[in-house]
Amino acid sequence: GNSVTQMEGPVTLSEEAFLTINCTYTATGYPSLFWYVQYPGEGLQLLLKATKADDKGSNKGFEATYRKETTSFHLEKGSVQVSDSAVYFCALSPTTSGTYKYIFGTGTRLKVLA
Amino acid sequence: SQTIHQWPATLVQPVGSPLSLECTVEGTSNPNLYWYRQAAGRGLQLLFYSVGIGQISSEVPQNLSASRPQDRQFILSSKKLLLSDSGFYLCAWGGGGNEQFFGPGTRLTVL
Repeated sequence: GNSVTQMEGPVTLSEEAFLTINCTYTATGYPSLFWYVQYPGEGLQLLLKATKADDKGSNKGFEATYRKETTSFHLEKGSVQVSDSAVYFCALSPTTSGTYKYIFGTGTRLKVLA
Repeated sequence: SQTIHQWPATLVQPVGSPLSLECTVEGTSNPNLYWYRQAAGRGLQLLFYSVGIGQISSEVPQNLSASRPQDRQFILSSKKLLLSDSGFYLCAWGGGGNEQFFGPGTRLTVL
């Protein structure tokens, strides 16, 4: 079946540090992949997406590359800010599902210290 | 542009009481609609999805139900709440490009 595995959190970094949050997936076919961010007490916001192998999604300094050979979609940012503190969710949407039912990872909490 | 609303924002209910959470979407027609639950410190669990008026699919057996009385309205209900129903409930809509867009959520505490 389809699944998403994220690295366990929390991840604590100093401001301006490099961020990597690992995400690997299991899926049949060619799923679309997403990163969502959730700030405290809020809903999820789409951060970036990739729909085919080798696509790179990017937004607000974050980026992730769809790696089919390693079934990965790791989130990276070169220099984090305190305002990036949030929970980050990796998700996949199976292309065989016309209803686009997402499979979410368990989320990784990021805390950035000033 | 499209917007999604949920209410109430927070709710505290006693065990055994009924529940009704509402979600409405503006600026789009015939969206796919989704209800998720996020338990404390955990990921998102898909509860229900709907591809059209009156069409509801349940993903997880539970004492919750969903209805879609209008194209852009999605309601989550329960006749009798359990303690385990506490959590953060998120509604989402999906467009043609397979992204999902989430509402602000409802924090439900069952005491």
